[in-house]
Parts: sequence; C-alpha cells; structure tokens
Amino acid sequence: QQQVKQSPQSLIVQKGGISIINCAYENTAFDYFPWYQQFPGKGPALLIAIRPDVSEKKEGRFTISFNKSAKQFSLHIMDSQPGDSATYFCAASRGGFKTIFGAGTRLFVKA
Amino acid sequence: NAGVTQTPKFQVLKTGQSMTLQCAQDMNHEYMSWYRQDPGMGLRLIHYSVGAGITDQGEVPNGYNVSRSTTEDFPLRLLSAAPSQTSVYFCASRRQRGDTEAFFGQGTRLTVV
Repeated sequence: QQQVKQSPQSLIVQKGGISIINCAYENTAFDYFPWYQQFPGKGPALLIAIRPDVSEKKEGRFTISFNKSAKQFSLHIMDSQPGDSATYFCAASRGGFKTIFGAGTRLFVKA
Repeated sequence: NAGVTQTPKFQVLKTGQSMTLQCAQDMNHEYMSWYRQDPGMGLRLIHYSVGAGITDQGEVPNGYNVSRSTTEDFPLRLLSAAPSQTSVYFCASRRQRGDTEAFFGQGTRLTVV
C-alpha cells in the first residue's frame, strides 16, 4: 500500500520555467511533510518542509503548497535552473517516526 | 564533521551469503533508520531505531536484522542474501523524535547475484 503517491515520474522543464511536482497522502495522522532533493550518487538532502497548520511555505525559489482537506501537497520550483536537475522526493511522517517517501520525480531542466 | 558514514560504498554478494552494512553518525543523533531505494519505488523504510537498545520494523523488514548497541552505530545485517535485495541502501539519522531534518549517508550499492 503506497501511502504517499507522487507525480509525475519524470519532468522536463525549460530553463526559467516553473517545475511542479505533486503528492497525495492517505494517513491524516501525518504531521510533517518534507521534500528531499537527490543528485546522482548522493544521498537525499532536505530541501524544504511544511507542517499541516500552514497552507504555503516559501524558501527562495522553492514553494510548498499544502491542501489539508484534499490531502495533497506540491512543490513549485520557480525560475528553474539546470542545476535543479535532480530527483525530488516528497515524504510524510507522524511525530518524526517512520517517514514514508513518494516514488520520486526525476527533473531535467533544459538550458 | 563527517555526518553519516556508510561502508562499503559498493558490494557484490552471492545468493545465500551474509553481510553487514555499516552506518555511523557523529552528530549524537538519537534516531537512525535504514532505507532501500529501488527504481520507481522511492525510498522504503527497512528498520529504524529511536535510541541505543531500541529498534523497530519499517515497511520492508523481511530478510534484514538490525541492532543498536551505541548511539553512533546502526548496522544492517543481511542474513542470507537474495537477488531481490539488490538495491541501494541509505542510512539516515535525525537528532530526536520530533526533529525535522534527516541526514542521509552516501549510500551502499548492493548487488546480489
């Protein structure tokens, strides 16, 4: 049973464009929703995270939008750059335990 | 500050062999976990530990054992390797239960033939 569903599987965006990755979760007990970025040959690294008491969080070019009633959250990358090309994972956890990850989205930003 | 260190980086095993994947962190983090990463599957939690002497199962624990005798180390043991265990394994740690960021190691690429 996949508790966190992520889409799309892959994404190609022009430099300067907006990249959007979507995730949906099932367990309403989740209380922490991070996004991780992974470059080839490296471990994932935290990019940005949100808690369900806010609807949006922005850090630089990266924004998380959160819809609690729909049990969905998304990552928006504004002004996408070739250096943003990586695999992105959404995740969800309850109290920090048992973080469940989405399947990942491979982003390629064309120069 | 090394962070989370995994060894080895690469390993090839024959079916039925056993081995231990090592994970060590120098950040005094209480919470440690093991994930496996497979194409199209994301990262799936194998086992986790909330402190020395305390471990619990994740999503895909079968075929793996863990122990946590010290805060720093959290080894993952494959008792009898199977081709289905071919994967990239990541160890992660975070400071405490309610803390947010997980720090990942560089991964161990394991192939079972």
